[in-house]
Amino acid sequence: DADVTQTPRNRITKTGKRIMLECSQTKGHDRMYWYRQDPGLGLRLIYYSFDVKDINKGEISDGYSVSRQAQAKFSLSLESAIPNQTALYFCATSDVGQKRETQYFGPGTRLLVL
Amino acid sequence: AQSVSQHNHHVILSEAASLELGCNYSYGGTVNLFWYVQYPGQHLQLLLKYFSGDPLVKGIKGFEAEFIKSKFSFNLRKPSVQWSDTAEYFCAVNARSGAGSYQLTFGKGTKLSVIP
Repeated sequence: DADVTQTPRNRITKTGKRIMLECSQTKGHDRMYWYRQDPGLGLRLIYYSFDVKDINKGEISDGYSVSRQAQAKFSLSLESAIPNQTALYFCATSDVGQKRETQYFGPGTRLLVL
Repeated sequence: AQSVSQHNHHVILSEAASLELGCNYSYGGTVNLFWYVQYPGQHLQLLLKYFSGDPLVKGIKGFEAEFIKSKFSFNLRKPSVQWSDTAEYFCAVNARSGAGSYQLTFGKGTKLSVIP
């Protein structure tokens, strides 16, 4: 969905390096999410943010941190990358509160940690 | 915590065959249900969703899904698949978590390969 963009689209890094993945949206949504996708495991939630001042850990937050710089921007950081963080990372956004929420996904960032 | 089970890891069909992908969830309260599709090398796209009302939901590209509350199921169907339906399909459930907020939980996905 062109309204949700992620940069970079592909990244190769080395163990121990710090890396930041960025997500921007023009949908005007308050809620933003970071997921990782691994083959056979589906999508797992890393962090989510309901607004600029609200950050929450998801299912697998260890080794990751996030920053919600503005309503439209939500960044995911790997402070010290390790090989098992090799995955496809998706950002998602939603607007409608809770019960009738529909999430819309960005194109993904493919990360390889050597 | 809620969980979502997709029974088939990989389904292989010939073109024009009928498709049914199973999805079951474990949660006793009110749920909202989704099917997303991920074409090779692309991001997840919403295929269809169910919030309330008619349990038979029609989505894009000829897909439909039926919510059967008594069976905790939301199976995806298509009467006649095409080669272009080759993709991975994810079922997702939005339900109230233990912390009180709603959380979207995904199944592990089903890969569909359609043979021309």
